[in-house]
Amino acid sequence: QKEVEQNSGPLSVPEGAIASLNCTYSDRGSQSFFWYRQYSGKSPELIMSIYSNGDKEDGRFTAQLNKASQYVSLLIRDSQPSDSATYLCAASGGSYIPTFGRGTSLIVHP
Amino acid sequence: KAGVTQTPRYLIKTRGQQVTLSCSPISGHRSVSWYQQTPGQGLQFLFEYFSETQRNKGNFPGRFSGRQFSNSRSEMNVSTLELGDSALYLCASSLGGISSYNEQFFGPGTRLTVL
Repeated sequence: QKEVEQNSGPLSVPEGAIASLNCTYSDRGSQSFFWYRQYSGKSPELIMSIYSNGDKEDGRFTAQLNKASQYVSLLIRDSQPSDSATYLCAASGGSYIPTFGRGTSLIVHP
Repeated sequence: KAGVTQTPRYLIKTRGQQVTLSCSPISGHRSVSWYQQTPGQGLQFLFEYFSETQRNKGNFPGRFSGRQFSNSRSEMNVSTLELGDSALYLCASSLGGISSYNEQFFGPGTRLTVL
């Protein structure tokens, strides 16, 4: 059974701080990893994809991948109240259908 | 470039009825996947269609079915609705090549309520 685990939160950070969201996956064959942001009542929006070990930066977002530890993280710098949402981690391997975690709720308070 | 569209956006049905949901993928995308999202179970994969063929299937009963047309548009049908089918149904499109690198892009979803 392929699983992607995330702490449900909520993770509460002050405005301007770095938010760190973590995810572990069980399938060692996973090759691609995705972070989605989902606002309440809306559909998931793809914000980052990462395929190789190390860091990938896009604006205020940095995705980090460590395949040896089967660990993926998302850092959000200079967090804003508009970043308050649920963040879904997904891992994709041989079946090319991603397995999603249940998501971490992030609250950025002013 | 237009995104994924889903119709209808909201639907209220009663137990025992059937429902058909529609999804139009991003232009050029040939794969359409359907997901059910509920607060208790998270995002659960229903099935994936590519070139009018069901290529992957999740662990849902046969009451849930789908199809894909030659223009890549897809429909999902749920027969004999149950209260537990109340959920947000999401469609996601991707280019569809046999690769785990395929990024999926979600439509706005159809909120189904079964009374």
